[in-house]
Amino acid sequence: DGGITQSPKYLFRKEGQNVTLSCEQNLNHDAMYWYRQDPGQGLRLIYYSQIVNDFQKGDIAEGYSVSREKKESFPLTVTSAQKNPTAFYLCASSSRIDTGNTIYFGEGSWLTVV
Amino acid sequence: GEDVEQSLFLSVREGDSSVINCTYTDSSSTYLYWYKQEPGAGLQLLTYIFSNMDMKQDQRLTVLLNKKDKHLSLRIADTQTGDSAIYFCAERRGYQKVTFGTGTKLQVIP
Repeated sequence: DGGITQSPKYLFRKEGQNVTLSCEQNLNHDAMYWYRQDPGQGLRLIYYSQIVNDFQKGDIAEGYSVSREKKESFPLTVTSAQKNPTAFYLCASSSRIDTGNTIYFGEGSWLTVV
Repeated sequence: GEDVEQSLFLSVREGDSSVINCTYTDSSSTYLYWYKQEPGAGLQLLTYIFSNMDMKQDQRLTVLLNKKDKHLSLRIADTQTGDSAIYFCAERRGYQKVTFGTGTKLQVIP
């Protein structure tokens, strides 16, 4: 089945550690995104990538890093510089040629700092 | 302003219609979307409307778009308990930029 797979679903991080969230899609979409969701708030864009080997900062990129070495993969690293990383992280993808240019989402990853 | 605005909460009785409202920001937005999020899950696309349309109907869902007022609404007919979730509207301003509202939590009372 086509879709977006995020892993792990739940992740615990000690303060000072970097952690990486995985996102893989088999939809053949060019664009991929990472959003952060805090309780009672909407989605905020962290990073996005329109093509392989290229990515841009979103609204809240500080303390995060990404790579786009393959079309189907867009991992997000939450670095120790991110002071408040506990949140729900959503990966998404889209295609220019899809009617509506719709963004499709994975099931999300919960990150908790312990 | 820069924010896509939605009311935070809506409560309806099972069988009634629900209307969720959204005010977006950019009159040049090309597409407007409605997503549904169940607890602990990702966002599921419900429907979208192109900016040159006024209305779109899809089974129990009706989307109304008022471009003059930058107002978008989602009507759910015959609301069921399975419709309880958070609903997000979103606007696409360009290929890269999709902005989401803060979400409306719909509670359906049996």
